[in-house]
Amino acid sequence: QKEVEQNSGPLSVPEGAIASLNCTYSDRGSQSFFWYRQYSGKSPELIMFIYSNGDKEDGRFTAQLNKASQYVSLLIRDSQPSDSATYLCAITGANNLFFGTGTRLTVIP
Amino acid sequence: GAVVSQHPSRVICKSGTSVKIECRSLDFQATTMFWYRQFPKQSLMLMATSNEGSKATYEQGVEKDKFLINHASLTLSTLTVTSAHPEDSSFYICSAIPGTGRMNTEAFFGQGTRLTVV
Repeated sequence: QKEVEQNSGPLSVPEGAIASLNCTYSDRGSQSFFWYRQYSGKSPELIMFIYSNGDKEDGRFTAQLNKASQYVSLLIRDSQPSDSATYLCAITGANNLFFGTGTRLTVIP
Repeated sequence: GAVVSQHPSRVICKSGTSVKIECRSLDFQATTMFWYRQFPKQSLMLMATSNEGSKATYEQGVEKDKFLINHASLTLSTLTVTSAHPEDSSFYICSAIPGTGRMNTEAFFGQGTRLTVV
């Protein structure tokens, strides 16, 4: 079983809509959860991190963590064409950082 | 935020030669650095975990004799692709975590190296 699972997409949403990205993980001991955005040909850049159950908001982005159900999600409100990218979920292991395969998001103008 | 510098950003080499890629943490020390490879339209694939002062830990299926990793100091890790072949052409990315490697903080990524083997 993969450590981190993501729907590869592609996910398409119209401009202004809410984009919802989901990620599940297998290790209940995971403590830190990250969402990265990667534009084509570029390195990933951190969008948000979350450690505690519940929601964490930062501008148009909201990360949601549910440790009991072992999932973490990212909501993007008022989606913009510039949000079109691949979004990578990452979780920490004992001495490692595991990435999901990424979800490709396209925001349609 | 913290900066990780990766060099070179692009390299073209002939088949059979070796290529060295450097990953430096510029404003923090990192006991642990990670090396990833990414093929077009695919996700990051962890190749190995580089630990300062000790041998790297390679992921299953990654040849340690082909991908040599040296983490000589707390701010520098190098990846050498030996006897490169066209199938080694890929985007190689390093990342580093500040401090002692406790996994409670974000990883900072280098800019990536686009390797083309001809």
